[in-house]
Amino acid sequence: DTAVSQTPKYLVTQMGNDKSIKCEQNLGHDTMYWYKQDSKKFLKIMFSYNNKELIINETVPNRFSPKSPDKAHLNLHINSLELGDSAVYFCASSPSGGNEQFFGPGTRLTVL
Amino acid sequence: GENVEQHPSTLSVQEGDSAVIKCTYSDSASNYFPWYKQELGKRPQLIIDIRSNVGEKKDQRIAVTLNKTAKHFSLHITETQPEDSAVYFCAASKGTGANNLFFGTGTRLTVIP
Repeated sequence: DTAVSQTPKYLVTQMGNDKSIKCEQNLGHDTMYWYKQDSKKFLKIMFSYNNKELIINETVPNRFSPKSPDKAHLNLHINSLELGDSAVYFCASSPSGGNEQFFGPGTRLTVL
Repeated sequence: GENVEQHPSTLSVQEGDSAVIKCTYSDSASNYFPWYKQELGKRPQLIIDIRSNVGEKKDQRIAVTLNKTAKHFSLHITETQPEDSAVYFCAASKGTGANNLFFGTGTRLTVIP
Protein backbone atom coordinates (compact mmCIF):
# COMPACT_ATOMS: atom_id res chain seq x y z
CA ASP A 1 0.00 0.00 0.00
CA THR A 2 2.97 2.29 -0.67
CA ALA A 3 1.69 5.82 -1.18
CA VAL A 4 4.70 7.52 -2.77
CA SER A 5 7.50 5.32 -4.05
CA GLN A 6 10.85 6.06 -5.63
CA THR A 7 13.37 3.97 -7.49
CA PRO A 8 16.17 3.39 -7.10
CA LYS A 9 16.78 3.80 -3.39
CA TYR A 10 20.52 4.19 -3.96
CA LEU A 11 22.29 5.37 -7.08
CA VAL A 12 26.06 5.53 -7.47
CA THR A 13 27.43 6.86 -10.72
CA GLN A 14 30.35 8.61 -12.37
CA MET A 15 30.62 12.30 -13.14
CA GLY A 16 29.33 13.18 -16.57
CA ASN A 17 26.76 10.40 -16.74
CA ASP A 18 23.03 10.88 -17.30
CA LYS A 19 20.63 9.25 -14.83
CA SER A 20 16.95 9.16 -13.97
CA ILE A 21 15.08 8.71 -10.73
CA LYS A 22 11.51 7.49 -10.89
CA CYS A 23 8.62 8.50 -8.68
CA GLU A 24 5.13 7.10 -8.50
CA GLN A 25 2.18 7.96 -6.28
CA ASN A 26 -1.00 5.94 -5.92
CA LEU A 27 -2.87 8.56 -3.91
CA GLY A 28 -4.63 10.14 -6.86
CA HIS A 29 -2.91 13.43 -6.15
CA ASP A 30 -2.74 16.13 -8.77
CA THR A 31 0.55 17.76 -7.86
CA MET A 32 3.99 16.23 -7.52
CA TYR A 33 7.29 17.69 -6.37
CA TRP A 34 10.99 17.05 -6.26
CA TYR A 35 13.17 18.14 -3.35
CA LYS A 36 16.91 17.94 -2.84
CA GLN A 37 18.36 17.30 0.62
CA ASP A 38 22.08 17.93 0.86
CA SER A 39 24.61 16.64 3.37
CA LYS A 40 23.67 19.39 5.84
CA LYS A 41 20.08 18.18 5.70
CA PHE A 42 18.83 21.32 3.96
CA LEU A 43 15.62 20.52 2.04
CA LYS A 44 15.10 22.59 -1.10
CA ILE A 45 12.26 22.56 -3.57
CA MET A 46 13.37 21.84 -7.12
CA PHE A 47 10.14 21.46 -9.07
CA SER A 48 6.43 21.27 -8.65
CA TYR A 49 4.21 19.92 -11.40
CA ASN A 50 0.55 19.30 -12.07
CA ASN A 51 -1.34 18.85 -15.27
CA LYS A 52 -1.46 22.57 -15.74
CA GLU A 53 1.91 23.94 -14.88
CA LEU A 54 5.51 23.22 -14.16
CA ILE A 55 7.12 25.49 -11.62
CA ILE A 56 10.88 25.43 -11.57
CA ASN A 57 12.98 26.79 -8.75
CA GLU A 58 15.21 29.27 -10.51
CA THR A 59 18.29 27.98 -8.74
CA VAL A 60 18.01 24.52 -10.28
CA PRO A 61 20.47 23.96 -13.14
CA ASN A 62 18.92 23.12 -16.49
CA ARG A 63 20.73 19.78 -16.35
CA PHE A 64 17.79 18.71 -14.20
CA SER A 65 14.49 18.08 -15.93
CA PRO A 66 11.25 16.56 -14.65
CA LYS A 67 9.30 14.28 -16.92
CA SER A 68 5.72 13.24 -16.28
CA PRO A 69 4.37 10.42 -18.42
CA ASP A 70 1.06 10.56 -16.55
CA LYS A 71 -0.54 12.05 -13.46
CA ALA A 72 0.83 9.35 -11.15
CA HIS A 73 4.46 9.68 -12.17
CA LEU A 74 7.06 12.43 -12.05
CA ASN A 75 10.54 11.29 -12.96
CA LEU A 76 13.69 13.31 -12.49
CA HIS A 77 16.27 13.23 -15.25
CA ILE A 78 19.75 14.57 -14.65
CA ASN A 79 22.27 15.21 -17.41
CA SER A 80 26.04 15.50 -17.06
CA LEU A 81 26.13 14.64 -13.38
CA GLU A 82 28.48 16.64 -11.16
CA LEU A 83 29.98 15.94 -7.74
CA GLY A 84 27.75 18.59 -6.20
CA ASP A 85 24.66 16.70 -7.30
CA SER A 86 25.32 14.12 -4.60
CA ALA A 87 22.37 14.32 -2.22
CA VAL A 88 19.15 12.61 -1.23
CA TYR A 89 16.32 13.41 -3.62
CA PHE A 90 12.78 13.24 -2.34
CA CYS A 91 9.66 13.07 -4.42
CA ALA A 92 6.37 14.24 -2.87
CA SER A 93 2.75 14.67 -3.85
CA SER A 94 -0.26 16.62 -2.64
CA PRO A 95 -3.98 16.60 -3.48
CA SER A 96 -5.72 19.30 -5.44
CA GLY A 97 -6.66 22.11 -3.08
CA GLY A 98 -4.79 20.49 -0.25
CA ASN A 99 -1.53 21.45 1.32
CA GLU A 100 -0.13 18.37 3.02
CA GLN A 101 2.67 16.83 1.04
CA PHE A 102 3.43 13.14 1.24
CA PHE A 103 7.05 12.29 0.72
CA GLY A 104 8.62 9.29 -0.92
CA PRO A 105 11.41 7.33 0.83
CA GLY A 106 14.16 9.24 -0.95
CA THR A 107 16.91 8.30 -3.40
CA ARG A 108 20.49 8.69 -2.26
CA LEU A 109 22.55 9.78 -5.26
CA THR A 110 26.33 9.58 -5.04
CA VAL A 111 28.41 11.01 -7.86
CA LEU A 112 32.02 9.83 -7.94
CA GLY B 1 11.12 34.15 -3.14
CA GLU B 2 10.34 33.00 0.37
CA ASN B 3 13.16 32.75 2.91
CA VAL B 4 12.57 30.69 6.04
CA GLU B 5 15.01 30.80 8.93
CA GLN B 6 14.95 28.27 11.74
CA HIS B 7 16.58 28.20 15.18
CA PRO B 8 18.21 26.48 16.89
CA SER B 9 20.03 24.10 14.58
CA THR B 10 20.51 21.61 17.40
CA LEU B 11 18.62 21.18 20.63
CA SER B 12 19.14 18.73 23.47
CA VAL B 13 16.62 18.33 26.26
CA GLN B 14 16.08 15.94 29.12
CA GLU B 15 13.21 13.53 28.79
CA GLY B 16 10.07 15.15 30.15
CA ASP B 17 11.21 18.70 29.49
CA SER B 18 9.75 20.95 26.81
CA ALA B 19 11.35 21.85 23.48
CA VAL B 20 10.72 24.96 21.43
CA ILE B 21 11.81 25.55 17.84
CA LYS B 22 11.35 28.92 16.18
CA CYS B 23 11.04 30.01 12.56
CA THR B 24 10.70 33.28 10.73
CA TYR B 25 9.57 33.84 7.17
CA SER B 26 9.97 36.72 4.77
CA ASP B 27 7.00 36.67 2.41
CA SER B 28 3.90 38.19 3.96
CA ALA B 29 1.79 36.36 1.36
CA SER B 30 2.67 32.99 2.88
CA ASN B 31 -0.39 31.52 4.53
CA TYR B 32 0.37 27.90 5.33
CA PHE B 33 2.98 26.75 7.85
CA PRO B 34 3.59 23.04 8.32
CA TRP B 35 6.09 21.25 10.52
CA TYR B 36 7.73 18.04 9.37
CA LYS B 37 9.59 15.46 11.40
CA GLN B 38 12.36 13.44 9.80
CA GLU B 39 13.72 10.49 11.71
CA LEU B 40 17.17 9.21 10.86
CA GLY B 41 17.23 7.73 7.38
CA LYS B 42 13.52 8.24 6.90
CA ARG B 43 11.29 10.53 4.88
CA PRO B 44 9.93 13.83 6.24
CA GLN B 45 6.42 13.44 7.64
CA LEU B 46 3.92 16.12 8.53
CA ILE B 47 3.23 16.37 12.25
CA ILE B 48 1.23 19.57 12.52
CA ASP B 49 0.34 22.59 10.43
CA ILE B 50 -1.26 25.97 10.86
CA ARG B 51 -2.89 28.44 8.53
CA SER B 52 -2.59 32.20 8.68
CA ASN B 53 -6.13 32.68 9.97
CA VAL B 54 -5.29 30.81 13.17
CA GLY B 55 -2.94 31.88 15.95
CA GLU B 56 -2.42 28.58 17.71
CA LYS B 57 -3.08 24.90 17.17
CA LYS B 58 -2.51 21.98 19.48
CA ASP B 59 -2.39 18.23 18.99
CA GLN B 60 -1.65 16.26 22.15
CA ARG B 61 1.93 17.06 23.15
CA ILE B 62 2.72 19.31 20.20
CA ALA B 63 1.51 22.82 19.51
CA VAL B 64 2.28 25.50 16.98
CA THR B 65 1.87 29.24 17.36
CA LEU B 66 1.85 31.86 14.62
CA ASN B 67 2.46 35.59 14.81
CA LYS B 68 1.57 37.00 11.41
CA THR B 69 2.58 40.53 12.28
CA ALA B 70 6.07 39.50 13.27
CA LYS B 71 6.19 36.75 10.63
CA HIS B 72 7.28 34.05 12.97
CA PHE B 73 5.93 30.72 14.11
CA SER B 74 7.05 28.19 16.68
CA LEU B 75 6.76 24.49 17.47
CA HIS B 76 6.32 23.47 21.08
CA ILE B 77 6.76 19.89 22.26
CA THR B 78 5.87 19.16 25.87
CA GLU B 79 6.78 16.13 27.99
CA THR B 80 9.40 15.10 25.48
CA GLN B 81 10.16 11.42 24.95
CA PRO B 82 13.17 9.70 23.37
CA GLU B 83 11.10 8.92 20.27
CA ASP B 84 10.74 12.65 19.69
CA SER B 85 14.43 12.69 18.75
CA ALA B 86 14.59 13.64 15.05
CA VAL B 87 15.22 16.54 12.71
CA TYR B 88 12.31 18.97 12.61
CA PHE B 89 11.66 21.26 9.68
CA CYS B 90 9.38 24.23 9.53
CA ALA B 91 8.09 25.39 6.16
CA ALA B 92 6.06 28.14 4.59
CA SER B 93 4.01 28.34 1.44
CA LYS B 94 1.30 30.40 -0.17
CA GLY B 95 -1.68 29.89 -2.44
CA THR B 96 -3.27 26.66 -3.48
CA GLY B 97 -2.68 24.07 -6.16
CA ALA B 98 0.98 23.52 -6.88
CA ASN B 99 2.14 24.64 -3.51
CA ASN B 100 5.88 24.76 -3.10
CA LEU B 101 7.09 24.41 0.44
CA PHE B 102 10.06 26.51 1.45
CA PHE B 103 11.77 24.73 4.29
CA GLY B 104 13.77 26.05 7.18
CA THR B 105 17.24 24.64 7.75
CA GLY B 106 16.11 22.05 10.27
CA THR B 107 16.59 21.47 14.00
CA ARG B 108 18.12 18.29 15.27
CA LEU B 109 16.33 17.50 18.52
CA THR B 110 17.85 15.00 20.91
CA VAL B 111 15.85 13.88 23.92
CA ILE B 112 18.13 12.45 26.58
CA PRO B 113 16.57 9.61 28.58
